[in-house]
Amino acid sequence: GNSVTQMEGPVTLSEEAFLTINCTYTATGYPSLFWYVQYPGEGLQLLLKATKADDKGSNKGFEATYRKETTSFHLEKGSVQVSDSAVYFCALNHGDNFNKFYFGSGTKLNVKP
Amino acid sequence: SQTIHQWPATLVQPVGSPLSLECTVEGTSNPNLYWYRQAAGRGLQLLFYSVGIGQISSEVPQNLSASRPQDRQFILSSKKLLLSDSGFYLCAWSRGGSVTGELFFGEGSRLTVL
Repeated sequence: GNSVTQMEGPVTLSEEAFLTINCTYTATGYPSLFWYVQYPGEGLQLLLKATKADDKGSNKGFEATYRKETTSFHLEKGSVQVSDSAVYFCALNHGDNFNKFYFGSGTKLNVKP
Repeated sequence: SQTIHQWPATLVQPVGSPLSLECTVEGTSNPNLYWYRQAAGRGLQLLFYSVGIGQISSEVPQNLSASRPQDRQFILSSKKLLLSDSGFYLCAWSRGGSVTGELFFGEGSRLTVL
């Protein structure tokens, strides 16, 4: 079946540190991959996405590359800020007729000044 | 542009009372609609999804139900709430028929059952 596994948190970093949040997936065929971010008390917002192998999604300094050979979509940022503190969710869309989405369990990021 | 709204934002209900959460989408037609639940400190659990009026698919058997009386309206209900129903409920939509589309989420509704 389809599933997403991401590293457990919380991840605590100092401001300007390098961030990596690991995400691997299991899926048949060629899913689209997403990273969503959830700030405290809010709904989820799309951060970036990639729709085919070797695509790189990027937004707000965050990047993730769709690696089919390792079935991974790791999230990276070169220099985190306090405002990046949030919960990050990796997700895949298998592209069935009903556009069903599978989410990882979320990784909480705390950035300290 | 498209917008999604859900309400109420917060509610506190006693065990055994009914529930109704509403969600509406504007600026698009024939969207796929979803209800997710996020328990404290946990990930997202898909509860229901709908690809059209009156078409509801349930992912997890429980005492909740969903209805889609209009194209852009999605309602989550319960006749009798349980303590375990507490959580953060998120409505979402995606473009129907799109294989590379994304989910757009509402602001969420926080339910506390006492």
